[in-house]
Amino acid sequence: EIVLTQSPGTLSLSPGERATLSCRASQSVSSSYLAWYQQKPGQAPRLLIYGASSRATGIPDRFSGSGSGTDFTLTISRLEPEDFAVYYCQVYGSAQYTFGQGTKLEIK
Amino acid sequence: QVTLRETGPALVKPTQTLTLTCTFSGFSLSTSGMCVSWIRQPPGKALEWLARIDWDNDKYYSTSLKTRLTISKDTSKNQVVLTMTNMDPVDTATYYCARIGHNYGHWDYWGRGTPVTVSS
Repeated sequence: EIVLTQSPGTLSLSPGERATLSCRASQSVSSSYLAWYQQKPGQAPRLLIYGASSRATGIPDRFSGSGSGTDFTLTISRLEPEDFAVYYCQVYGSAQYTFGQGTKLEIK
Repeated sequence: QVTLRETGPALVKPTQTLTLTCTFSGFSLSTSGMCVSWIRQPPGKALEWLARIDWDNDKYYSTSLKTRLTISKDTSKNQVVLTMTNMDPVDTATYYCARIGHNYGHWDYWGRGTPVTVSS
């Protein structure tokens, strides 16, 4: 079973700053099946990035994803007030889906 | 416009069976490549995938929960049903259904979720 470890657990930044969120897999995964979601309180997750680096429909270009193998990164180039939320990475493999434990992005 | 909506009981007792229904619109689960999954989230915790059903009726379950889960679909009603047996307080969570559209790796549309509490 693939385990995803996200770091940091909490990231405190100010609007306008750059955010870098990490997701590490316990074994090599296919980049085609690595996704990132944003979740705000009381809401369902929202797909941001799929295939490790492709933005979902309607996602601003300040969000970008990169990585391969076991190490993946979500970058938010310039934080807007609405970007403060919890972010999850997720992978599909061997007919199973796994989520990371999440990174909370909070306003500093 | 793709929408999904989860319905089911808000409260179940320990040992009971939970039945949840996902009613969707904007796509057909008879279209090649379409799939619907159930995912849950305990309060304050991370997301956990439960099950998936495909357009061709193939079914997949979380390894850790597969003995307790059954997923089915009614294509004519645009519904997917999940049953979970032997409910326990640790199963208290918000349960979401979500669509996979062509790429098996991620869900592009989600329902708003339905909270379920397991308590006597």
